[in-house]
Amino acid sequence: KAGVTQTPRYLIKTRGQQVTLSCSPISGHRSVSWYQQTPGQGLQFLFEYFSETQRNKGNFPGRFSGRQFSNSRSEMNVSTLELGDSALYLCASSPGTSNSYEQYFGPGTRLTVT
Amino acid sequence: GNSVTQMEGPVTLSEEAFLTINCTYTATGYPSLFWYVQYPGEGLQLLLKATKADDKGSNKGFEATYRKETTSFHLEKGSVQVSDSAVYFCALLMDSNYQLIWGAGTKLIIKP
Repeated sequence: KAGVTQTPRYLIKTRGQQVTLSCSPISGHRSVSWYQQTPGQGLQFLFEYFSETQRNKGNFPGRFSGRQFSNSRSEMNVSTLELGDSALYLCASSPGTSNSYEQYFGPGTRLTVT
Repeated sequence: GNSVTQMEGPVTLSEEAFLTINCTYTATGYPSLFWYVQYPGEGLQLLLKATKADDKGSNKGFEATYRKETTSFHLEKGSVQVSDSAVYFCALLMDSNYQLIWGAGTKLIIKP
């Protein structure tokens, strides 16, 4: 099975711009979660989508949003970028059911905001 | 709330040494527990897991036992290699919300 893919791998944006990141989960997985990883804050949960519905949400401002398509691919959008949004954004794929929920991660998208 | 506490790093060991990375958790209910590893420049890989008390997860020579009485899930390996150098994350997941809660990570450095 192909693993989780994330595009693009690297991005450089300017403050105030917006950005969209993409994640393709493992075939058959219906859950996609997004995490932000920074040296200072570690790994923080953004949100999780299951069957096109947001099932869980972390404590991030409304500038961070996401969606999931019928083929389980997911996108994450960050509007009005701030310097503090510079981070590695990780996507995780999971079957997402109560008896099968371990998460498999993509390589991440490294976002740099200048 | 639910939380995970890991020993601070970096942990520096010589090749073939015995490894323990401590992880304790606080959770209301009965979480599943995981160890993930992140090699330099790469994403996170699931290393091992345990879903109930007294379960032992194992993979690539690493082991961890889910100890409900001490709320711990310590990672161990009998003989580490230079290739084990990475950052190790302990995490818990409540099946009520499918959200992984992470420890801060422990950087492991193995010297030849």
